[in-house]
Amino acid sequence: GENVEQHPSTLSVQEGDSAVIKCTYSDSASNYFPWYKQELGKGPQLIIDIRSNVGEKKDQRIAVTLNKTAKHFSLHITETQPEDSAVYFCAAFQGAQKLVFGQGTRLTINP
Amino acid sequence: EAQVTQNPRYLITVTGKKLTVTCSQNMNHEYMSWYRQDPGLGLRQIYYSMNVEVTDKGDVPEGYKVSRKEKRNFPLILESPSPNQTSLYFCASTGGGNEKLFFGSGTQLSVL
Repeated sequence: GENVEQHPSTLSVQEGDSAVIKCTYSDSASNYFPWYKQELGKGPQLIIDIRSNVGEKKDQRIAVTLNKTAKHFSLHITETQPEDSAVYFCAAFQGAQKLVFGQGTRLTINP
Repeated sequence: EAQVTQNPRYLITVTGKKLTVTCSQNMNHEYMSWYRQDPGLGLRQIYYSMNVEVTDKGDVPEGYKVSRKEKRNFPLILESPSPNQTSLYFCASTGGGNEKLFFGSGTQLSVL
């Protein structure tokens, strides 16, 4: 089955700087890669996603890139703000609505 | 408001005492799923349901049961809880051919 590895497990950046979280997946048949943000005391929420026929997708300050050959995908957050502090999860979609999640990254934005 | 509702938010129990965590969604979603979240392990799927009366095991089903008698409800049952089931549990749903999951707010379970 699919295996998703996420790095780093914790990330601390200064407000205004950029943050990058990286994931790798094992199953070349996976075709959909979402990113979820989990704020304290809440359930994860989808913030951006990318499909395997696209290399990059951007939504304001967040972007996701996908390298199918290397089976890597990354989340990029620019001009970080305090409200970006949260736990972020990557995931790979195996079909039949089965998402396999990474281990999570705790992002802290320092003022 | 479209939402997934889990109850209770917090639960402390003792080993062997049967418990049920309820999950309800108001979006008419076909698909519902339960995950547990543990530090360093991310979200792992326990059970999922593609529709009423259709359920299947996820990656960590041991010690859990589910039922899907109605489309909106998907309760998680721990018949004989053990301390290794202490975790944060999330229910999620999706539908209409969309992969986007909608999560509940979570249930923090402690088994003593």
